[in-house]
Amino acid sequence: AQKITQTQPGMFVQEKEAVTLDCTYDTSDQSYGLFWYKQPSSGEMIFLIYQGSYDEQNATEGRYSLNFQKARKSANLVISASQLGDSAMYFCAMREPRGGTALIFGKGTTLSVSS
Amino acid sequence: GAGVSQSPRYKVTKRGQDVALRCDPISGHVSLYWYRQALGQGPEFLTYFNYEAQQDKSGLPNDRFSAERPEGSISTLTIQRTEQRDSAMYRCASSRGQGGHEQYFGPGTRLTVT
Repeated sequence: AQKITQTQPGMFVQEKEAVTLDCTYDTSDQSYGLFWYKQPSSGEMIFLIYQGSYDEQNATEGRYSLNFQKARKSANLVISASQLGDSAMYFCAMREPRGGTALIFGKGTTLSVSS
Repeated sequence: GAGVSQSPRYKVTKRGQDVALRCDPISGHVSLYWYRQALGQGPEFLTYFNYEAQQDKSGLPNDRFSAERPEGSISTLTIQRTEQRDSAMYRCASSRGQGGHEQYFGPGTRLTVT
């Protein structure tokens, strides 16, 4: 069974609009970490945001916020005020204590921002 | 400061040849990870080091794959007797330590086996 599920292969948004990229996860552990990475067409992997399973507040980093709903096992990324430079592939990832510290990635969502 | 660097950036090799991929982590980062990423997919874990100790190699697909980090800094991923199915982007990442949250990724090595 997939540990990380990203159901949206592609998303389209206009500049200045907000967009939500979905991520659901599967774990039986109580302690885990959730991450989002951005991969532009240049191929680099850029860390965006982290949410710990015990964090009470949703993580925020600038225009990025993570909508963490523990009971639903979802960790959606919200990008406010989209910019053309946000066009990229976005990966959700999880780290489980039983799995050591390696990250388990989803298949990604391609975001296209138009003017 | 300098990020994670990998070399070569591109490698084309013939089937049956051995290849060595190098990763230079961020200075002072204790943990180092190797991932493999197929086109259009997320990275998949291969192996992980804490200092020079290989803590987990459960993701290595078979015994043609090996990795080392002899002095706890630079790491080499070696693929022996390459096969076409080994073609992929090989990514290295490093983090401050086992408890460190972020893993910082290098630019990757694009391996093509012909």
